[in-house]
Amino acid sequence: EAQVTQNPRYLITVTGKKLTVTCSQNMNHEYMSWYRQDPGLGLRQIYYSMNVEVTDKGDVPEGYKVSRKEKRNFPLILESPSPNQTSLYFCASSFSAGGGGPYEQYFGPGTRLTVT
Amino acid sequence: GESVGLHLPTLSVQEGDNSIINCAYSNSASDYFIWYKQESGKGPQFIIDIRSNMDKRQGQRVTVLLNKTVKHLSLQIAATQPGDSAVYFCAEKRRSGAGSYQLTFGKGTKLSVIP
Repeated sequence: EAQVTQNPRYLITVTGKKLTVTCSQNMNHEYMSWYRQDPGLGLRQIYYSMNVEVTDKGDVPEGYKVSRKEKRNFPLILESPSPNQTSLYFCASSFSAGGGGPYEQYFGPGTRLTVT
Repeated sequence: GESVGLHLPTLSVQEGDNSIINCAYSNSASDYFIWYKQESGKGPQFIIDIRSNMDKRQGQRVTVLLNKTVKHLSLQIAATQPGDSAVYFCAEKRRSGAGSYQLTFGKGTKLSVIP
């Protein structure tokens, strides 16, 4: 089954404790991205990757890191989480049609993060 | 700055009626648009897309219309069903650097279907 998986689905942590949210897709997609979703603000892009070893900042990258060492995985790293990073996070992937993407994006189920 | 916005945050329709959800965009260079549906507790799900060289595209019970003159996008759902109740997002693809692209999402419209 074609899918995007994220782990963990729920996480409660404390300020400053490093964490990683994993994302994996099995569709051989070139393009992957991370979004956060907050009430009234919709979906905002954090980071994206056009292909392996190529990452770019989205609209709200502060406080986050990513890496793309393999095509299927795109982990989101919070080196020192803060309460304002409490949010619902989504990973997404899509084909890129020769670098002109993203096109139809497939989203993961979401990770609800609470930072106290 | 460039933005994608929605005219109405909420929409209530009677079951069986048609629904129309609107979206305005400001980036005239955008060449690709997508509509997503997000049900409670789930990730956004792709509904339909349209490229800027088209005015209309139809799917199963859904139609997307693109008016480039007024930079307006709409999603029409025919014979709305209770299962259509969700938040709907429009998104546009924009260039964010040399050979680099992003999707920018609107804030969403909540569709409620009245049985």
